[in-house]
Amino acid sequence: AQTVTQSQPEMSVQEAETVTLSCTYDTSESDYYLFWYKQPPSRQMILVIRQEAYKQQNATENRFSVNFQKAAKSFSLKISDSQLGDAAMYFCAYRTSGGYQKVTFGTGTKLQVIP
Amino acid sequence: ETGVTQTPRHLVMGMTNKKSLKCEQHLGHNAMYWYKQSAKKPLELMFVYNFKEQTENNSVPSRFSPECPNSSHLFLHLHTLQPEDSALYLCASSQEDSGGVGDTQYFGPGTRLTVL
Repeated sequence: AQTVTQSQPEMSVQEAETVTLSCTYDTSESDYYLFWYKQPPSRQMILVIRQEAYKQQNATENRFSVNFQKAAKSFSLKISDSQLGDAAMYFCAYRTSGGYQKVTFGTGTKLQVIP
Repeated sequence: ETGVTQTPRHLVMGMTNKKSLKCEQHLGHNAMYWYKQSAKKPLELMFVYNFKEQTENNSVPSRFSPECPNSSHLFLHLHTLQPEDSALYLCASSQEDSGGVGDTQYFGPGTRLTVL
């Protein structure tokens, strides 16, 4: 079974600084998808960024980028120029590429942004 | 409305009550999901409906009963719940093709359930 591990329950970053959230996963599959979701205090879970395992290039979305290390099964999220609105729970998630869409989530990292 | 909506947003019920949670997606997706989110635990997938048919039931107790009347609506019927069932219940949807290769899940705001 696939597992997703987020070893940092809480992180803090100064506004305008850069922070990296870590995620590791365990799988025997070669083709899969990885996601970072953000859940602000209002509770709406929204997608931040996604990565296809077959793509070597790291995904980027504006201030958000990932460092995908397939061999190491590592998928970290880097937030540049942190803003107050970035404060939220961040969940790393894994999904196989075939079959129905079962997604495995990590336990989350709570990010605090300090003004 | 856009996206995925859930009602009610908050629900308090006694252990002998019967209530239902409602989810509606306005994205034209063909797959819908119920998740349970408890503090300090990963999201737990409860039910999956693909093309209106239930494709997964992750050993969820029978006091939770899902219903998917069409591809836009999903219900979770609650009956004789326990205090440990108190949690945030999230609904999500996605677009699955017939080969099962889908894409991102989009989540609703959740229903905060408290069982007394």
